[in-house]
Amino acid sequence: EVQLVESGGGLVQPGGSLTLSCAASGFTFSNYEMHWVRQVAGEGLEWVSAINSAGDTYYPDSVKGRFTVSRDNAKKSLYLQMNGLRAGDTAVYYCGRDSGVGAIDHWGQGILVSVSS
Amino acid sequence: DIQLTQSPSSLSASVGDRVTITCRASQSINAYLNWYLQKPGKAPRLLIYAASDLESGVPSRFSGSGFGTDFTLTIDSLQAEDFATYYCQQSYTTPPYTFGQGTQLDFK
Repeated sequence: EVQLVESGGGLVQPGGSLTLSCAASGFTFSNYEMHWVRQVAGEGLEWVSAINSAGDTYYPDSVKGRFTVSRDNAKKSLYLQMNGLRAGDTAVYYCGRDSGVGAIDHWGQGILVSVSS
Repeated sequence: DIQLTQSPSSLSASVGDRVTITCRASQSINAYLNWYLQKPGKAPRLLIYAASDLESGVPSRFSGSGFGTDFTLTIDSLQAEDFATYYCQQSYTTPPYTFGQGTQLDFK
């Protein structure tokens, strides 16, 4: 059974940093592109980053230069390092597995990041 | 970046109804369009990928169609568990992979 479990969320001050982790199991992690998606309370989904099996990374303009996605295939883990956090980054962050055509076929349970003084 | 516009933003329906949600892309995305369902407090669930392919385990009352810029998600014979928010997402070429703004389906 595919499982994705996020950790590392919490409260951080504006301008601070936080690193999220996503532990994967039940599939060959190294073969899959992985994503981070976030959702502000009461709002829609926003794609945040992706990293493919070759290690190529992608970001939207809203986080480019502040967020860094990485992976450790030996540990079957995905990471999201977030720097220069802003109040607008407050959201539930989900990690997800790419189905192979850009669709996210498995999702973690989500983890809350709160940016506030 | 490619923008997706869903319509309607909200929709009221009853159990047994047939419902259609549309998603329009700002440029052609061939068939790289996916649909998700999300219930409050839960992670999204993939329903349809590549515009019309049903994800494993998803009931056959869900179907998708479209190509290029215009896409639809149809739910035949709504069930109680289908009342949720629906999102489209494009995955054309390399990221960014944008989502539509969502369609909230409520009980009439």
